[in-house]
Amino acid sequence: SQQGEEDPQALSIQEGENATMNCSYKTSINNLQWYRQNSGRGLVHLILIRSNEREKHSGRLRVTLDTSKKSSSLLITASRAADTASYFCATGRDDKIIFGKGTRLHILP
Amino acid sequence: EPEVTQTPSHQVTQMGQEVILRCVPISNHLYFYWYRQILGQKVEFLVSFYNNEISEKSEIFDDQFSVERPDGSNFTLKIRSTKLEDSAMYFCASRLWGGETQYFGPGTRLLVL
Repeated sequence: SQQGEEDPQALSIQEGENATMNCSYKTSINNLQWYRQNSGRGLVHLILIRSNEREKHSGRLRVTLDTSKKSSSLLITASRAADTASYFCATGRDDKIIFGKGTRLHILP
Repeated sequence: EPEVTQTPSHQVTQMGQEVILRCVPISNHLYFYWYRQILGQKVEFLVSFYNNEISEKSEIFDDQFSVERPDGSNFTLKIRSTKLEDSAMYFCASRLWGGETQYFGPGTRLLVL
């Protein structure tokens, strides 16, 4: 399976701190994407990084991709209470997305 | 900003009943998808659809499931005879031709009793 697996499963940090989540996958990919899901709600696309890219930024988000290690990381800088959610990495290949189990991020006030 | 919409947001049905979940993809998108997420589990791919036919389907998408694009705007998922284990959040997604990002709707929470 080419599913992504996030690490850690859960993360609690103080507001204002940076949050780092990691993802590993098993097979070759076209791209890797990160999604956010607020409790019981829909999936919000955050950022996509292509297999030939190593790093990408979007606002407070920074994503890295290491295809040799089959891993990615998502960094959220200066966290806010509104960042509390589950974060999923999702690998794209052959036009379908395979999701990992997600990291539950809790920002403490 | 254009969004994928889904109706209903919640549906409760009796085991064995048929349900139809509806989606309106983003208007200029050509690729459509259904995923599901059983409570507490990860999001799973069900089916992809392009040019009025199924492109790919997962093992979950058995004969009880079907998809249709009945008109120029709607994309539906039908479950013919629901089982308890069909209880899940069902997400529709769409993608632009040449694009890489799939945009997801807010989901329909299906509860089979």
